Amino acid sequence: AQSVTQLGSHVSVSEGALVLLRCNYSSSVPPYLFWYVQYPNQGLQLLLKYTSAATLVKGINGFEAEFKKSETSFHLTKPSAHMSDAAEYFCAVSYALNFGNEKLTFGTGTRLTIIP
Amino acid sequence: NAGVTQTPKFQVLKTGQSMTLQCAQDMNHEYMSWYRQDPGMGLRLIHYSVGAGITDQGEVPNGYNVSRSTTEDFPLRLLSAAPSQTSVYFCASTPGGTQPQHFGDGTRLSIL
Repeated sequence: AQSVTQLGSHVSVSEGALVLLRCNYSSSVPPYLFWYVQYPNQGLQLLLKYTSAATLVKGINGFEAEFKKSETSFHLTKPSAHMSDAAEYFCAVSYALNFGNEKLTFGTGTRLTIIP
Repeated sequence: NAGVTQTPKFQVLKTGQSMTLQCAQDMNHEYMSWYRQDPGMGLRLIHYSVGAGITDQGEVPNGYNVSRSTTEDFPLRLLSAAPSQTSVYFCASTPGGTQPQHFGDGTRLSIL
């Protein structure tokens, strides 16, 4: 079985400060890992994905994440927070069965607040 | 390019009523899924489909039915609505493999 743990349901950072959102996964086989962002009253938008290529993955809006197998982690970072980054962020894991990533397991989400 | 379209955006039902949440995608994706989002619980998979005529249960399937008669459409049916089904429902599609899922904007459903 696969699972995802996001540490911290709420994170607040000052504008211009480092953003670090934590995600640890559990999977019995090599995983595919994703970060999604959800703005208020909207659906989920893909930020970035890890699919067993480079361990440091760059996404949209200046976000990146590093896959660390030894730590079973896939933390999301951004060097300098912007007010527009305020949203809820979800880490998700899947693994390729016969059909790919149609079964996605999500973490419980982290709400990011940016302090002016 | 519309992507994944969900209707309605909002709905209020009374306990015991039935209804169908519609989901359509125009990207010719084989795989489609329904999730529900509840506070503090992230998104949980209700049902999914790997192609027309093929569906399977996810993590929380009880009280919901699905069918997939075409590649484009994947409706979710609530047979007899219960207050515990008050939630935000998201439909998603993907071509599969390493490709990510594309989400609709959601249906906000309240059961009184």
